[in-house]
Amino acid sequence: QSVLTQSPSASGTPGQRVSMSCSGSYSNIGSNTVNWYQQLPGTAPKLLIYINNQRPSGVPDRFSGSKSGTSASLAISGLQSEDEADYYCATWDDSLNGQVFGGGTKLTVL
Amino acid sequence: QVQLQQWGAGLLKPAETLSLTCAVFGGSFSGYHWSWIRQPPGKGLEWIGEVKDTGSSTHDPSLRSRATISLDTSKNQFSLKLSSVTAADTAVYYCARGQRPGGSSSRWFDPWGQGILVTVSS
Repeated sequence: QSVLTQSPSASGTPGQRVSMSCSGSYSNIGSNTVNWYQQLPGTAPKLLIYINNQRPSGVPDRFSGSKSGTSASLAISGLQSEDEADYYCATWDDSLNGQVFGGGTKLTVL
Repeated sequence: QVQLQQWGAGLLKPAETLSLTCAVFGGSFSGYHWSWIRQPPGKGLEWIGEVKDTGSSTHDPSLRSRATISLDTSKNQFSLKLSSVTAADTAVYYCARGQRPGGSSSRWFDPWGQGILVTVSS
């Protein structure tokens, strides 16, 4: 069972806006910044969002992140078929003294 | 642009030691947290641990000191050894470069190695 809680699945149609959440506690999300990763089938994870809402160079502005209290969320606007992937949130947990990941959300583009 | 390339044995027997190496191309070790992350088949990501540019390392407590992560700056490489492996250690293992912002302990990982499937089976 993951320290950070993500819904197992999400779905949307092309062009739609979808969002997914990541829930934690004071010792992790409440005290540290959140990062998001996209993992396409059969490939290594790719950094999507860092420091809650920053996009690395090359990541489209369709992807956005936010954090409030002990929760974070990732939103994807203008959904495209190539967005179909697993999405993971991650942060540091001060109590466990380690990096923790959510269980991942599988996004299906209908 | 920094690239990571990893290698190591892909099939182990129980009780053996897993040994993986990750080479860093196009960048220096300074200021980063060089990390290992694994993903059991069909499951999520698990942080194993890291070695800092100073050579000091830390690992997830759940691994009960089985993990050793080290740095070889002369070869631009860092390595993972995991002793006494069991079937539960079967996973794709990734190396990654970690960075952290001021004021937070959270690392973000970018880039990642290509991943190696390590299978533990008798």
